[in-house]
Amino acid sequence: KQEVTQIPAALSVPEGENLVLNCSFTDSAIYNLQWFRQDPGKGLTSLLLIQSSQREQTSGRLNASLDKSSGRSTLYIAASQPGDSATYLCAPQGSGGGADGLTFGKGTHLIIQP
Amino acid sequence: DTAVSQTPKYLVTQMGNDKSIKCEQNLGHDTMYWYKQDSKKFLKIMFSYNNKELIINETVPNRFSPKSPDKAHLNLHINSLELGDSAVYFCASSPTGYTEAFFGQGTRLTVV
Repeated sequence: KQEVTQIPAALSVPEGENLVLNCSFTDSAIYNLQWFRQDPGKGLTSLLLIQSSQREQTSGRLNASLDKSSGRSTLYIAASQPGDSATYLCAPQGSGGGADGLTFGKGTHLIIQP
Repeated sequence: DTAVSQTPKYLVTQMGNDKSIKCEQNLGHDTMYWYKQDSKKFLKIMFSYNNKELIINETVPNRFSPKSPDKAHLNLHINSLELGDSAVYFCASSPTGYTEAFFGQGTRLTVV
């Protein structure tokens, strides 16, 4: 059974800093890994999808890396802004695809201070 | 022009009632899901549907039943609601079971 751990659980930093959010998972037999953000009272917004064959994926100020063999992924946020404040969730997808669904970590609650 | 939409957004009901949550996606995706986010904000998959066929059912009580009238809709019916069913329920879809998933805004269910 896949288990996902995200560290840190919470983070509060002044704006402008570069951040690294960590995700580890116990079963390396994944098909892909997705990073989401969740704003309070809102749904999940997909940020990045990394296929198991990829090492990293970039979108704007966000860069996600994947080391499948060691069961780790990191989300790098450059030049953080107050609008980046949210909970960030990591979710690997099992090799069974839809039959496995996404397994979520408990998230990193991020606060960017103006 | 919402991609994955759920109704209602909020639902307050008494124990023992039967309720439904509707989900529609206009993305043409083949796979749809229901996830539950409990009071500790932990998200877990409940069901997934691929072309109207149930793929998985993760140790969910049989009081919960997904129903898909067509590829674009996956509704969640809950019978005999219990206090422990209070949670936020998210619908999601993806082109196939192996691609990026898109989530609805969630339905906050409160059982009193």
